[in-house]
Amino acid sequence: SYELTQPPSVSVSPGQTASITCSGDKLGDKYACWYQQKPGQSPLLVIYQDNKRPSGIPERFSGSNSGTTATLTISGTQAMDEADYYCQAWDTTTAVFGGGTKLTVL
Amino acid sequence: QVTLRESGPALVKPTQTLTLTCTFSGFSLSTSGMCVSWIRQPPGKALEWLARIDWDGDKYYSTSLKTRVTISKDTSKNQVVLTMTNVDPVDTATYYCARIRRGVVQGDYSFDYWGRGTLVTVSS
Repeated sequence: SYELTQPPSVSVSPGQTASITCSGDKLGDKYACWYQQKPGQSPLLVIYQDNKRPSGIPERFSGSNSGTTATLTISGTQAMDEADYYCQAWDTTTAVFGGGTKLTVL
Repeated sequence: QVTLRESGPALVKPTQTLTLTCTFSGFSLSTSGMCVSWIRQPPGKALEWLARIDWDGDKYYSTSLKTRVTISKDTSKNQVVLTMTNVDPVDTATYYCARIRRGVVQGDYSFDYWGRGTLVTVSS
């Protein structure tokens, strides 16, 4: 079955750039999405179609996807961005989520 | 305004069948292109996709759970139902329903609206 691999944790200082990777076989041939989940809340879509932001998502969130790796980049990271982030892609008709990355802003 | 709300039992005994209902508003599953999925998350763990149902009745399931899970819809009631047979303590999780946003480009699907989730505990 298809798998997506994320680092368990990433740390970043406030105001700096955070990058979270997601790896999968030929992931660049699929569309990647990213979800933010804060404690006790439902996931929130922050990036779709590799690099598109839904309405209301700050411009500091961006995405890219090529080869075997998709990357979520948060520029000028703020304390409010501390959360778990999940990548997701479709393997034909099956949705697959990565294991999640805990972003710590310190 | 799109909203989804999950409902069902908070506690289920092992080997029983779990039935969860997703009641939604702000869109119709009879509209071409609309889809709804169920996703779960065990405490402290990652998201796991379970199933999807499309406006035209097509259904898709997680490979690992397809023998135990069934998804159905009642368009008149704006509801999607998930049943899971023979539950086990490892099925303890928060269960979410989510609408799928379909883009114009083939393969461009994402979960754009989520319910608040319902915690189901499997224990005797």
